[in-house]
Amino acid sequence: GAGVSQSPSNKVTEKGKDVELRCDPISGHTALYWYRQSLGQGLEFLIYFQGNSAPDKSGLPSDRFSAERTGGSVSTLTIQRTQQEDSAVYLCASTPPGAYTEAFFGQGTRLTVV
Amino acid sequence: SQQGEEDPQALSIQEGENATMNCSYKTSINNLQWYRQNSGRGLVHLILIRSNEREKHSGRLRVTLDTSKKSSSLLITASRAADTASYFCPWGQGNLIFGKGTKLSVKP
Repeated sequence: GAGVSQSPSNKVTEKGKDVELRCDPISGHTALYWYRQSLGQGLEFLIYFQGNSAPDKSGLPSDRFSAERTGGSVSTLTIQRTQQEDSAVYLCASTPPGAYTEAFFGQGTRLTVV
Repeated sequence: SQQGEEDPQALSIQEGENATMNCSYKTSINNLQWYRQNSGRGLVHLILIRSNEREKHSGRLRVTLDTSKKSSSLLITASRAADTASYFCPWGQGNLIFGKGTKLSVKP
């Protein structure tokens, strides 16, 4: 089927507002990752879901950031009380089961906080 | 930091030349992957090398892995302008940790 889908493609929000970013992984993929990429920088790991295991939240930069993965499929990344430094491209990736598998990336959501 | 580091940070070459970029990591791995990101957002998987492999080829790409030195290299032969992109070597067991990448510019 289709690849990893992220929505919205672009989001402009006012400082202090909450935003939700959505990721639809490829069907059957068990692992899901969220990354943040600021302009000209590498990918900053945020959170990692693997099957029914507790997610690895070690990359979330503050308690304003949270993520859920419902039914082992769709994931939502929520940023509360957005700040200008939250402006970045948020990328989602998923991988199929197995130890030697590639990650499939979505096209990302460009978040701009004004 | 657990992240790998790509080296050099930037590389500029002429079309037709070979491009070599390196990657180092800090802990044991079961595989290492290389990805390309063109201007824009999407990352594309290029090649995966397992920890028990030393070299792997895919078209114009050649990847080596030296687990004793915790390093890998990506060679792109006969480069093309379309190879202009950032290249990353995330690694990890489960999680994927990215460095800042190598920005390759291939001039026509």
